[in-house]
Amino acid sequence: AQSVSQHNHHVILSEAASLELGCNYSYGGTVNLFWYVQYPGQHLQLLLKYFSGDPLVKGIKGFEAEFIKSKFSFNLRKPSVQWSDTAEYFCAVNAGNQGGKLIFGQGTELSVKP
Amino acid sequence: GAGVSQSPSNKVTEKGKDVELRCDPISGHTALYWYRQSLGQGLEFLIYFQGNSAPDKSGLPSDRFSAERTGGSVSTLTIQRTQQEDSAVYLCASSSLGRSTDTQYFGPGTRLTVL
Repeated sequence: AQSVSQHNHHVILSEAASLELGCNYSYGGTVNLFWYVQYPGQHLQLLLKYFSGDPLVKGIKGFEAEFIKSKFSFNLRKPSVQWSDTAEYFCAVNAGNQGGKLIFGQGTELSVKP
Repeated sequence: GAGVSQSPSNKVTEKGKDVELRCDPISGHTALYWYRQSLGQGLEFLIYFQGNSAPDKSGLPSDRFSAERTGGSVSTLTIQRTQQEDSAVYLCASSSLGRSTDTQYFGPGTRLTVL
């Protein structure tokens, strides 16, 4: 069965620090990869996604993620976080042959101190 | 335009009662998904509707859970004989065509508390 692991459950950073959130998945076939974010009191929304092409994808609000197939990883990065990035971040995987069903990681709560 | 809406926003029920949760997807979206978000379990897929195809029910945790989608639009998730472990936030999402690469747009969720 497919699974997604997010190794960091809670990350606390100061503003301007760099961010990297880990995501690893287990599935040997073609995958589509997503990062969703849930800001306090708001809906889940898409940050970025990868399905083909350049393995370095850029999303909203200065976030980017790199797909490394050999490591089954899709880590999220941001060079300089802001207080407004405080949120919960979810990595998700879709196996290319299973329609739109998403398998989510456990989520990483990011707290940015002003 | 309007996003995905869900009702009620909160539901408190007693153990053993049945509950119905409603989802209105974005107009024109052919795919609709239900997920559950609970402490310790993260976000779990429950069921997925795509157009007129048979739904993918592979994530439903027991036969107490069922869902239907009427007229290709509104969906209702029904939980019969609720148990305390059913307490969670139930999220609905929709996407335009249900392709594996499509972005899913999530609603605000229904927080279910089973006493």
